Amino acid sequence: SQQGEEDPQALSIQEGENATMNCSYKTSINNLQWYRQNSGRGLVHLILIRSNEREKHSGRLRVTLDTSKKSSSLLITASRAADTASYFCATGPNTGTASKLTFGTGTRLQVTL
Amino acid sequence: DAGVIQSPRHEVTEMGQEVTLRCKPISGHDYLFWYRQTMMRGLELLIYFNNNVPIDDSGMPEDRFSAKMPNASFSTLKIQPSEPRDSAVYFCASSLVPGGNTEAFFGQGTRLTVV
Repeated sequence: SQQGEEDPQALSIQEGENATMNCSYKTSINNLQWYRQNSGRGLVHLILIRSNEREKHSGRLRVTLDTSKKSSSLLITASRAADTASYFCATGPNTGTASKLTFGTGTRLQVTL
Repeated sequence: DAGVIQSPRHEVTEMGQEVTLRCKPISGHDYLFWYRQTMMRGLELLIYFNNNVPIDDSGMPEDRFSAKMPNASFSTLKIQPSEPRDSAVYFCASSLVPGGNTEAFFGQGTRLTVV
C-alpha cells in the first residue's frame, strides 16, 4: 500500500526556477527520505530527514518535515535540465518493522531550457 | 563497488513460462529488498532479507512468486508460471542497516514483459 502521496503529480518549470514538491503520509514515522528516478533507471537517494528534525539542506535541496501535519516538502533551487526526473518520498515506520521503506506515488518534474 | 547489479535488464517471455530475476547486492550490506514498480500501483515492496534470511514476504502477490538468497552476494526472484499482469519493472535494493533507517541503494531494474 502507498504510505506517501506526492503533490503535484507532475510539475513543469523553466531552468533557473525553483521546484517544490510535497509529500503527505499516514502513519507515525522514524524518518522520511527523498529519492530521484531518472527515466529507465533505478532510484537514487537524495536526502534523509529524521522525525525530530524540521529542516535539512543538501546542496540545492531543502527538505522540511512537519510531523504534526504528516507532511514533507522538497525544494530544488535554481533548477537545471538535469533535474528532470521523478521524485519520490519514502517513509521509514516508527515500529519494529523498521526495514520496510514505503514509497509514495511520485512527482514527475520536467525542467525546460 | 559497482553498486547493486541486476540481470537481465530486459526480459520478454510468454505467459506460462518461468522467469528468474537476479540480484547482486553491495558487498557488506545486510539487507536486500525486492520491489516492483508499475504505473498503476507505484513501487511495492515484495520481500526483504536480513543476513540472507527472508524477514517479510507479505508483499509477494501470489504463490507464483518466490525469492531466495542462498548467500550474501546473490538473490533471485522467480515467477512461475508468469502472467501478463506480472509485467513491470522489478528493482533490487540493498542497505547497510534496516532500509527504513538509512538509505537504500537500488539496482537499475529488470523490465519484465509477459506476452
